Amino acid sequence: AQSVAQPEDQVNVAEGNPLTVKCTYSVSGNPYLFWYVQYPNRGLQFLLKYITGDNLVKGSYGFEAEFNKSQTSFHLKKPSALVSDSALYFCAVREGTPLVFGKGTRLSVIA
Amino acid sequence: DAGITQSPRHKVTETGTPVTLRCHQTENHRYMYWYRQDPGHGLRLIHYSYGVKDTDKGEVSDGYSVSRSKTEDFLLTLESATSSQTSVYFCAISDLPTAFLNTGELFFGEGSRLTVL
Repeated sequence: AQSVAQPEDQVNVAEGNPLTVKCTYSVSGNPYLFWYVQYPNRGLQFLLKYITGDNLVKGSYGFEAEFNKSQTSFHLKKPSALVSDSALYFCAVREGTPLVFGKGTRLSVIA
Repeated sequence: DAGITQSPRHKVTETGTPVTLRCHQTENHRYMYWYRQDPGHGLRLIHYSYGVKDTDKGEVSDGYSVSRSKTEDFLLTLESATSSQTSVYFCAISDLPTAFLNTGELFFGEGSRLTVL
C-alpha cells in the first residue's frame, strides 16, 4: 500500500534563509507525488507535482521539490523563505485513485 | 479557485444526533472525496466517489455514509454523531487523470468544522 511520511512536525527558519520540508514515500510502482499548502482556516492548495521527467520540479510561490528515487524522497525547498510562507505543508502520493497524505509539517518563518 | 462549496461551514451538535455535510461543485469533475483533518493525523480519507451513485470506502469510513445522486453534489452523513467525530471535514474534487494533462490532483473546499458535544 502506498504511504508517505513527513518526519518533522515543525520546521523553523529565519526569513531570507533557505527552507526544506522533508517527505519520504513508499509505493510499489511509479509514484505521482504532490505538495499542498494550508493557510489558517483554509482548505489545502496545490503547490506542485512530480509525475515523470526532470527530478527538480518548480511550483507556485517560488517553491520547488526534488525527487530522489534512490532515497524515495520528495523534499520541498525554497531558496529564500518569507514570513508569508508560514503555513502547514502536506506531502501526498497517488498510486491508485485517492491521494494519500502525510501528517503535515508546520513551517514557521521568523522575521 | 475551483468552484467547491461546503455547507455548513460550522456546526455544533450533540452526541447521537444525525448530521449531514454537503459538498457542491461547479467544475463537473468526476471524482469527489471526503477527508477529515485531525491534529497528529493529517488528512484521512473517509469516502470517495468516482461517479454518480458510485462510491467507495476510505481509510476511516466507520460511522459515515455518503451519497451522490448528482455529479455536483456529494453528501457525507453521520447517522449518530459521536465525540470522536469532532473534526474538520474537507471535500475535494478531481477530474479523470489523463497522461500529463491532468494527473488527478485534488482541489479542496474551505472545510466544515464539526463539534460533537
